[in-house]
Amino acid sequence: KAGVTQTPRYLIKTRGQQVTLSCSPISGHRSVSWYQQTPGQGLQFLFEYFSETQRNKGNFPGRFSGRQFSNSRSEMNVSTLELGDSALYLCASKDAGLLTDTQYFGPGTRLTVL
Amino acid sequence: GENVEQHPSTLSVQEGDSAVIKCTYSDSASNYFPWYKQELGKGPQLIIDIRSNVGEKKDQRIAVTLNKTAKHFSLHITETQPEDSAVYFCAANSGGYALNFGKGTSLLVTP
Repeated sequence: KAGVTQTPRYLIKTRGQQVTLSCSPISGHRSVSWYQQTPGQGLQFLFEYFSETQRNKGNFPGRFSGRQFSNSRSEMNVSTLELGDSALYLCASKDAGLLTDTQYFGPGTRLTVL
Repeated sequence: GENVEQHPSTLSVQEGDSAVIKCTYSDSASNYFPWYKQELGKGPQLIIDIRSNVGEKKDQRIAVTLNKTAKHFSLHITETQPEDSAVYFCAANSGGYALNFGKGTSLLVTP
């Protein structure tokens, strides 16, 4: 099976703009989670979608949002970008969405905010 | 919420030696503990995971041990090779389906 894919791989935006990132999970996986990775804070959980419903949300401001489509593909959106939003955004998918399911990560989207 | 602490933050070993990375967690309800390896410019790759009904799991040169009573788990890499050099992350699940990650260990294996 193909792995988790994320597009675009690199993105440069300016403060105040908005951005949409896309994630295609492993075929058959219904759960998609998003994480932000920065050198200072490490890997932080943003939100998780399962069968098109947001099931869990991390401690991020409302500028960060997401959605999942019926084919399990997911998008996340960041509005009114700030310099501190510069990070590697990782998407991960898992099968049935159980607590103990193995989670597989994509290569990430590197977002730079100028 | 869950808090995962990971030590050491950096680790340098000679090729062929063993490397051990330790993590502790706070949520006694956590029952899934994966380890990821991240190479430069790539996403984290799962290398081994363990569930709470098992105390130890081994896969070739990699092993993970879990002590639920003490709430700690460890990654053991034997016969290290230069290609093992990377950042390693431990994680524990929390009640809300999320994974909480440690801060990472940068492992350097020198020839």
